[in-house]
Amino acid sequence: EAQVTQNPRYLITVTGKKLTVTCSQNMNHEYMSWYRQDPGLGLRQIYYSMNVEVTDKGDVPEGYKVSRKEKRNFPLILESPSPNQTSLYFCASRDGTAHNQPQHFGDGTRLSIL
Amino acid sequence: GDSVTQMEGPVTLSEEACLTINCTYTATGYPSLFWYVQYPGEGLQLLLKATKADDKGSNKGFEATYRKETTSFHLEKGSVQVSDSAVYFCALTAAGGTSYGKLTFGQGTILTVHP
Repeated sequence: EAQVTQNPRYLITVTGKKLTVTCSQNMNHEYMSWYRQDPGLGLRQIYYSMNVEVTDKGDVPEGYKVSRKEKRNFPLILESPSPNQTSLYFCASRDGTAHNQPQHFGDGTRLSIL
Repeated sequence: GDSVTQMEGPVTLSEEACLTINCTYTATGYPSLFWYVQYPGEGLQLLLKATKADDKGSNKGFEATYRKETTSFHLEKGSVQVSDSAVYFCALTAAGGTSYGKLTFGQGTILTVHP
């Protein structure tokens, strides 16, 4: 089954404790991205990757890091989490770079930073 | 920059009522337009899309028409069901520039359908 898998689904942690949210897709997609969803704001892009070893900032990259060492994986790293990063996070992937192709989303990771 | 504006929610309807969720956009060139649906506890699923002016996307009884003259992509359904209760997002990807296919989302509209 074609899917995007995120882990963990839920995490409660404390300010300053480094964490990583993993994302893996099994569709051989070149393009992957991370979004955060906040009430009243919809989803906003954090980082994206066009292919292996190619990453770039989205609209809200501050406080986040990513890496793309393999095509299937695109982890999101919070080096020193803060309460304003409490949010619902989604990983997504898309075949190629054509803008008219839809993105496939994971089920989300709900992070609470205390 | 690109932007998407959806009608404010939440929207509450009785089963079999007609649904319209308004969506307008601002973008340069000819973006692709999408409606995504998010059921409780799940990720976003593509509901329908349209990639050029006057295209009509349709799926599961939902329809939306790409109107370039009014920069709109309103979502419609003639008879909603309880199972349609979800959050609906209008989104676009720009045709060019440096956005590399970033999805720009509206703020989402919560739909609740009562029996």
